[in-house]
Amino acid sequence: GDSVTQMEGPVTLSEEAFLTINCTYTATGYPSLFWYVQYPGEGLQLLLKATKADDKGSNKGFEATYRKETTSFHLEKGSVQVSDSAVYFCALSNLNQAGTALIFGKGTTLSVSS
Amino acid sequence: DADVTQTPRNRITKTGKRIMLECSQTKGHDRMYWYRQDPGLGLRLIYYSFDVKDINKGEISDGYSVSRQAQAKFSLSLESAIPNQTALYFCATAGSQTYTDTQYFGPGTRLTVL
Repeated sequence: GDSVTQMEGPVTLSEEAFLTINCTYTATGYPSLFWYVQYPGEGLQLLLKATKADDKGSNKGFEATYRKETTSFHLEKGSVQVSDSAVYFCALSNLNQAGTALIFGKGTTLSVSS
Repeated sequence: DADVTQTPRNRITKTGKRIMLECSQTKGHDRMYWYRQDPGLGLRLIYYSFDVKDINKGEISDGYSVSRQAQAKFSLSLESAIPNQTALYFCATAGSQTYTDTQYFGPGTRLTVL
């Protein structure tokens, strides 16, 4: 079945450092890809998404490009802030997935210090 | 006001007790989901519903049941709680049946079964 693999955490960075969180997927067809963020004590909220190959999703300085040839959707940010500290989840949704539900990676915890 | 609300936010109960977690949404969405989050495992699908007459099991439905009382309300029940059901539970909604749609999450219910 479809699956998502993302890099293990935690990731610890200093403010203004460059961030990359790797995400690769296994899926048939053409899934949609998502990054969700979970701030401490809160639910998940959509950070960005891409619904077809070569699309770039972007939001709040974060970017990710849907690469079908490498089955990847890596999250990047050029200069992280303390307020970016959170858990980041890569996820996919696919036409053949029951209920078009999301399939999640295990999450990557990011900690940014000043 | 939040678009997706969950009650209670925290619950501690004992093995064998019946527990109901409630989810309400004001987004007017037809699709609703229940996910479970465990540390290091990401989120996994418990049940989903496309409307009040369409309820389906997800990946990990054993030990759980659901009720869709109205378009806006979707409840999750644990008939006889056990300690390995200790987890963070999220309700989510989506507006249509396409797999490109964003899912919107509630704040979560932290359940502890002693």
